Amino acid sequence: SQQGEEDPQALSIQEGENATMNCSYKTSINNLQWYRQNSGRGLVHLILIRSNEREKHSGRLRVTLDTSKKSSSLLITASRAADTASYFCATDRGFGNEKLTFGTGTRLTIIP
Amino acid sequence: DVKVTQSSRYLVKRTGEKVFLECVQDMDHENMFWYRQDPGLGLRLIYFSYDVKMKEKGDIPEGYSVSREKKERFSLILESASTNQTSMYLCATILPGVEKLFFGSGTQLSVL
Repeated sequence: SQQGEEDPQALSIQEGENATMNCSYKTSINNLQWYRQNSGRGLVHLILIRSNEREKHSGRLRVTLDTSKKSSSLLITASRAADTASYFCATDRGFGNEKLTFGTGTRLTIIP
Repeated sequence: DVKVTQSSRYLVKRTGEKVFLECVQDMDHENMFWYRQDPGLGLRLIYFSYDVKMKEKGDIPEGYSVSREKKERFSLILESASTNQTSMYLCATILPGVEKLFFGSGTQLSVL
């Protein structure tokens, strides 16, 4: 069963603008992670936020987590053409086997 | 960096064939995972393994089996391929204590 749902499904913005993607999930989590996937390739880990954290930064990425609303957002600032990719959230429900459950993804297109 | 290698980038098989998808990781990790990815459904976990000869079903194990005879190799087996198993298959491993997945480049399987 799908744990996460990303919103929007697709997003197109001009280069230099900020991009925001949202993720909602259903059950309590240990941590939430964001991954990027370039077309037809494997996924690459971007950032992890734990359930007791509210905000985390990594370079041009900013992730927030609201456990009361069971939601997270990923903000990419000053977007570049190379940011064009699909972005997935993944939740670790803390079963001890490090099994992640992925959302359906947001397809981000940066227009040069 | 962790290297996860999937043996085939593209694969075309016929209905009823037995199909082997191979995955090798170079870091002696215990946990390995097989996901399938379909448009609009995101990634869904098929099977995972937490040690040699140890395996657990994921969310969609039907029609699949796995083999883990050596720690570095995790194989996904389609006993009798069907057209609804046409998909992108992604193998991953996890870095202990770091909690993030490392993915292979994926195998795009078409069953005709």
